Amino acid sequence: GAVVSQHPSWVICKSGTSVKIECRSLDFQATTMFWYRQFPKQSLMLMATSNEGSKATYEQGVEKDKFLINHASLTLSTLTVTSAHPEDSSFYICSARDFRQRLSYEQYFGPGTRLTVT
Amino acid sequence: GDSVTQMEGPVTLSEEAFLTINCTYTATGYPSLFWYVQYPGEGLQLLLKATKADDKGSNKGFEATYRKETTSFHLEKGSVQVSDSAVYFCALSDRGLQGAQKLVFGQGTRLTINP
Repeated sequence: GAVVSQHPSWVICKSGTSVKIECRSLDFQATTMFWYRQFPKQSLMLMATSNEGSKATYEQGVEKDKFLINHASLTLSTLTVTSAHPEDSSFYICSARDFRQRLSYEQYFGPGTRLTVT
Repeated sequence: GDSVTQMEGPVTLSEEAFLTINCTYTATGYPSLFWYVQYPGEGLQLLLKATKADDKGSNKGFEATYRKETTSFHLEKGSVQVSDSAVYFCALSDRGLQGAQKLVFGQGTRLTINP
């Protein structure tokens, strides 16, 4: 149980285009999902917290107009990188918290999406 | 703000060797502490946790003790196996905006076990 999927697993796009990454909780409902970014040989950095049916909360320094997050259902959150540039190339990871464990700290992680902007 | 520092890798050991991966933290309040493991091609998985001082988390032969006096949460295993090869992340929980518990991660330590 507690499986989180991400799609696509990797994507290459041209500079100036937009890319959408999906995060799905497959066997549980997630009122809260988190989006992280991971640079090579570095830690995961939290970008934003996404709550179903409300606006995402972005961490300091993260451009909300560039990284659009939508959490329209209890099993799906999307991250859209708008007008992508090479510096946006990174590994994006989502995680989800089970609605039934909403007071818990536990997060279930997706396998990540490798974005390369050329 | 809160932060986590763990020993730099990569770490390479022979099978059945003793493993220690150091982790220290800075935090206001009383965070919970975690070790996550990321096997190749997979998402992060919770390995073990400790929610208060002197708690010991354990799983799959791994152990870590929440040491408040030294602000540490070192990961140990007495005899590693090839299947333990992975990247290990130390993390703490922090109550962020709107009360959501967010995780603060260390930089990760890549562990390779040779047969």
